[in-house]
Amino acid sequence: GAVVSQHPSRVICKSGTSVKIECRSLDFQATTMFWYRQFPKQSLMLMATSNEGSKATYEQGVEKDKFLINHASLTLSTLTVTSAHPEDSSFYICSALTGGGPSNQPQHFGDGTRLSIL
Amino acid sequence: KNEVEQSPQNLTAQEGEFITINCSYSVGISALHWLQQHPGGGIVSLFMLSSGKKKHGRLIATINIQEKHSSLHITASHPRDSAVYICAVKSSQSEETSGSRLTFGEGTQLTVNP
Repeated sequence: GAVVSQHPSRVICKSGTSVKIECRSLDFQATTMFWYRQFPKQSLMLMATSNEGSKATYEQGVEKDKFLINHASLTLSTLTVTSAHPEDSSFYICSALTGGGPSNQPQHFGDGTRLSIL
Repeated sequence: KNEVEQSPQNLTAQEGEFITINCSYSVGISALHWLQQHPGGGIVSLFMLSSGKKKHGRLIATINIQEKHSSLHITASHPRDSAVYICAVKSSQSEETSGSRLTFGEGTQLTVNP
């Protein structure tokens, strides 16, 4: 089945550090990738949608200069949390969607990245 | 009121019990997903359905479009089924307005005791 690899799985770093999270589709081409954030005991919240080769579409309330998304190839999207602060500590998870075919397709999720800012 | 509501929020069962998790939604949808989130956080897509019923092993998912309701059933539950089960819907709005984005329920925490 389709596999999405997310790296790193856990990051602990100091306040002010920038952190990059990678999301790779290993055995398919992902024209669209989604980045989600999840706080404890809460549901996933969509942060942004990225399409290969174009600028990401951010959800209302998500700072595009704070959460930089790059989707430069059909197999890789990155999320960079710039100048991270403790309130950015959360679980970040990506999902990928293949292009073409039926409009209804399952999203394939990565295993997530647990980010802790000290 | 959330567009997608799940019940119950928490469910504890004994091994072998039949389990049902419910999902109700208030928008028109083109597809409904059932996802399983493991304690470590990783998410697995269990089902995607737009009508009727699907079965995979001990898992069964049903949907009633008219009633805007879906259920996930687990037969002969096992401790390894312990996870958070999430219902998510894809709106039937045009692709230009909603794309492929999903709206998620808040999840049902299932614990199956041996």
